[in-house]
Amino acid sequence: QQQVKQSPQSLIVQKGGISIINCAYENTAFDYFPWYQQFPGKGPALLIAIRPDVSEKKEGRFTISFNKSAKQFSLHIMDSQPGDSATYFCAARLNRDDKIIFGKGTRLHILP
Amino acid sequence: NAGVTQTPKFRILKIGQSMTLQCAQDMNHNYMYWYRQDPGMGLKLIYYSVGAGITDKGEVPNGYNVSRSTTEDFPLRLELAAPSQTSVYFCASSYDTWPGNQPQHFGDGTRLSIL
Repeated sequence: QQQVKQSPQSLIVQKGGISIINCAYENTAFDYFPWYQQFPGKGPALLIAIRPDVSEKKEGRFTISFNKSAKQFSLHIMDSQPGDSATYFCAARLNRDDKIIFGKGTRLHILP
Repeated sequence: NAGVTQTPKFRILKIGQSMTLQCAQDMNHNYMYWYRQDPGMGLKLIYYSVGAGITDKGEVPNGYNVSRSTTEDFPLRLELAAPSQTSVYFCASSYDTWPGNQPQHFGDGTRLSIL
């Protein structure tokens, strides 16, 4: 119920291509969905986040698409660059709770 | 602004030893968290605190203890180290989680090996 399922586990994309990472959840009490980016040897850093009353949010080359009825959300990275190579985590927070549940992560590699 | 500072960065312990992982933040955040990250498993919440003097268990608290005597510091204690506690530990903080949706700021982690 409190899981966030993330796929794929790893992803290789050509430079300039679109990277797509998908997440799914069951608990309808989740009310905040952040994505984190993590580089080797560093802690995760917030990349972009969305609330369930919005279907899409775009910040630069990064877009979150949110499908409330399907309980799915995804991260799209347009014009992917080698500097985007990192591990990406989707996450979800329970309504009015203090805890965030993380997906297992996607290791993204952008080929130069 | 240093953000969230974790020490040490690396540590090797023998089974049964104890140690304290330090975490300090200088952003005056009231919320602080400890996570562990195992390969392919994402981040699991160990303990969290919503303010000085208040702590609560997360998903995987067994084998760990925390204290929060000040707003700035949130140390994580391992009393009897076990091989299953080999992991990378991250501390995070945020100003608030509701309703501002404030992001969590993470430290760079402590890589701990139990041999």
